[in-house]
Amino acid sequence: LAKTTQPISMDSYEGQEVNITCSHNNIATNDYITWYQQFPSQGPRFIIQGYKTKVTNEVASLFIPADRKSSTLSLPRVSLSDTAVYYCLVGGTQAGTALIFGKGTTLSVSS
Amino acid sequence: SAVISQKPSRDICQRGTSLTIQCQVDSQVTMMFWYRQQPGQSLTLIATANQGSEATYESGFVIDKFPISRPNLTFSTLTVSNMSPEDSSIYLCSVRDLGGYEQYFGPGTRLTVT
Repeated sequence: LAKTTQPISMDSYEGQEVNITCSHNNIATNDYITWYQQFPSQGPRFIIQGYKTKVTNEVASLFIPADRKSSTLSLPRVSLSDTAVYYCLVGGTQAGTALIFGKGTTLSVSS
Repeated sequence: SAVISQKPSRDICQRGTSLTIQCQVDSQVTMMFWYRQQPGQSLTLIATANQGSEATYESGFVIDKFPISRPNLTFSTLTVSNMSPEDSSIYLCSVRDLGGYEQYFGPGTRLTVT
């Protein structure tokens, strides 16, 4: 499984755009990139997944360059409720395999 | 999507005792997993619960310490045996369907061992 590296923590203010970058230099050809969000006292929940270029949903955007060795999760106009831990995961889409979590990025949003 | 419930939501136990955590899913799912999340840490995969056969454990986790049952496609249990304070963690049940890319997590069971 490809190892991921992301910042331990980030701070932001309400209304700002937040970009969290994840490095995954050893990503395999058939690996997808997936981001999960975890609030305190809750299990992680899926945010977004992509393979290449750009993916957007109602929650976030995911930017993946052509070499796929990194990815950036973009959260537009964050609010206090976006304070959470964000995990970048690579691979784990093969049938029967569980997600393996790295350390994650703790995002703190202030007013 | 799958809705997962866990019982108990939290418990305080004495060292040397055992606790069984239940995981119930609102639909049949192919894959069920158990994770541990120690305070302030990320999630660590304990094992894959296999229906009708022995669970598959990750390195560092053994069946004698964490016996797992999965009698059907909607239910699983994880037992934390002979507990010590180091077992104080949140234990999370997770599910996924074969061919599905999203993995769903339960709310977790917060265990404190004194």
